[in-house]
Amino acid sequence: GAVVSQHPSRVICKSGTSVKIECRSLDFQATTMFWYRQFPKKSLMLMATSNEGSKATYEQGVEKDKFLINHASLTLSTLTVTSAHPEDSSFYICSAGGLAGTSYNEQFFGPGTRLTVL
Amino acid sequence: AQSVSQHNHHVILSEAASLELGCNYSYGGTVNLFWYVQYPGQHLQLLLKYFSGDPLVKGIKGFEAEFIKSKFSFNLRKPSVQWSDTAEYFCAVILGGSSGTYKYIFGTGTRLKVLA
Repeated sequence: GAVVSQHPSRVICKSGTSVKIECRSLDFQATTMFWYRQFPKKSLMLMATSNEGSKATYEQGVEKDKFLINHASLTLSTLTVTSAHPEDSSFYICSAGGLAGTSYNEQFFGPGTRLTVL
Repeated sequence: AQSVSQHNHHVILSEAASLELGCNYSYGGTVNLFWYVQYPGQHLQLLLKYFSGDPLVKGIKGFEAEFIKSKFSFNLRKPSVQWSDTAEYFCAVILGGSSGTYKYIFGTGTRLKVLA
């Protein structure tokens, strides 16, 4: 149990376009989902926390108009990178929490999405 | 600001050598602690976690970690590494206990390379 998927796994887009990344909890309902960005040879940086049915909470320095997060259901959250630029190229990882029977603190991670903006 | 430090950025060991990866955090209150592993091309996987109780925690694949509150540390150990342990290891901390809004703070990661 506790499987989290992301789609797509890789995406290449032109500068100025928007890209949507999906994060799904496959076998449990996730009350909270998290979006991270991982820079090369660096740690994971939390971008935002989203709760189903409410607005996401963004970390300091993360542009909410640039990185749109929608948590439409207990199994799906989406991250849309709007008007992408080369500096947005990165590895984006989502995680989900709230699995019944575990501590609310534990998160389960998706496989990540490699975004390359040309 | 709260932070998590992993002092070893790159570690190279021969098979059968013992491993210890350091993790220190800066926060005086209740913490939950995790070690994750990321194998090449794969997603983060939980190795072990500490919430409360016995400070010596055993995880999967022969890994263990010891929570030493007085040292704000949660070091990861394995008595004898294998080539398949080549991966990146992340320490993560959640501040503040088990309820309410919770966020992981990740360390910068340690790349382990095990030579066959």
